[in-house]
Amino acid sequence: GQNIDQPTEMTATEGAIVQINCTYQTSGFNGLFWYQQHAGEAPTFLSYNVLDGLEEKGRFSSFLSRSKGYSYLLLKELQMKDSASYLCAVMDSNYQLIWGAGTKLIIKP
Amino acid sequence: DAEITQSPRHKITETGRQVTLACHQTWNHNNMFWYRQDLGHGLRLIHYSYGVHDTNKGEVSDGYSVSRSNTEDLPLTLESAASSQTSVYFCASSEQNTYNEQFFGPGTRLTVL
Repeated sequence: GQNIDQPTEMTATEGAIVQINCTYQTSGFNGLFWYQQHAGEAPTFLSYNVLDGLEEKGRFSSFLSRSKGYSYLLLKELQMKDSASYLCAVMDSNYQLIWGAGTKLIIKP
Repeated sequence: DAEITQSPRHKITETGRQVTLACHQTWNHNNMFWYRQDLGHGLRLIHYSYGVHDTNKGEVSDGYSVSRSNTEDLPLTLESAASSQTSVYFCASSEQNTYNEQFFGPGTRLTVL
């Protein structure tokens, strides 16, 4: 079957760095997406990786290793507004997104 | 500005009733999707459409139907609502290229009593 695993919850301190991991087993791979979702709101797009390596976008970076079925989202200089759930999603061989359950990130002052 | 809207934002209904959730996008996107989101689960795909008059079943399509009569709208119908369909429903759209990001509507919280 298809499976996306991410930690349920993480806690970090304002100003620090946090890494949210995602491992996947899917039927085919056509890229991996990260979305941010604040409580009670819609998911919003953060990043897309299809090749191995690191993609940097401001305070957020996303890494992919296709051979290991592994990705991480790195958030630097954490701000209180980064408190949200972070969703990992893999596009499978049918070009459908398979979603992880999300990681709730709690930022403490 | 282009956007994607959903209505109603909140709905309470009774078991056995037919319910339709509306989704309207002004992005002029060909691709539209309906998901449900439940605690402890990732977003799960209900139905999707790649263009007018095209509809496809997703992972959890039983008890749901959609129709696509124009580019802008993809209404989701629950034929006979069940308590197991209590959930938050998100509509999303994307450009024709399947690698493009999906843009999500604000969601509809549906409670079936």
